[in-house]
Amino acid sequence: AQSVTQLGSHVSVSEGALVLLRCNYSSSVPPYLFWYVQYPNQGLQLLLKYTTGATLVKGINGFEAEFKKSETSFHLTKPSAHMSDAAEYFCAVSPYSGGSNYKLTFGKGTLLTVNP
Amino acid sequence: EAGVAQSPRYKIIEKRQSVAFWCNPISGHATLYWYQQILGQGPKLLIQFQNNGVVDDSQLPKDRFSAERLKGVDSTLKIQPAKLEDSAVYLCASSYIRGNYGYTFGSGTRLTVV
Repeated sequence: AQSVTQLGSHVSVSEGALVLLRCNYSSSVPPYLFWYVQYPNQGLQLLLKYTTGATLVKGINGFEAEFKKSETSFHLTKPSAHMSDAAEYFCAVSPYSGGSNYKLTFGKGTLLTVNP
Repeated sequence: EAGVAQSPRYKIIEKRQSVAFWCNPISGHATLYWYQQILGQGPKLLIQFQNNGVVDDSQLPKDRFSAERLKGVDSTLKIQPAKLEDSAVYLCASSYIRGNYGYTFGSGTRLTVV
């Protein structure tokens, strides 16, 4: 069984400040981890993913995340926030099953607002 | 490549009416998913198809929801009869059959049941 906890349903930062969105997961098998972004009235867009290998993953729009197995965390960061980053962010986990069932389990999301 | 297409974008119906949503996945993606996203929550998987077979429908309310994927391509999700609590965004996604590279999501259908 898998689950995802996103700490903080709403994060507010100033433009140019560090963005840190927290995600902790629970998984009985080695996980694949994802961050998605959702802009208003749109579907989810993949920001980045961790599968295997390097634990620091770089994604689109300057975002990156680090997989820390000992802490069961996959926090999302960006050094300098931009107004266009305002959106809802979802962390998700799926099993590294090696088969074909890659069901994604999502967290409840974190709404990021960026203040000028 | 073209994205995942969904229609309609918005739908308003009265409770106890029926409604259907359509999804066309990315060409070559054998796996198709329907997710339900209630306001303020993360998406929840309703059903997963691999080609035209069902892989996982454990969270599909089968007394009122049904889904099919004809010929392993397009898919429709139906609700009959709708309840107020079905108000949500219904997201379709597709992926390759092998390897988890993340899904591609459509823009969703926003359903309001009044």
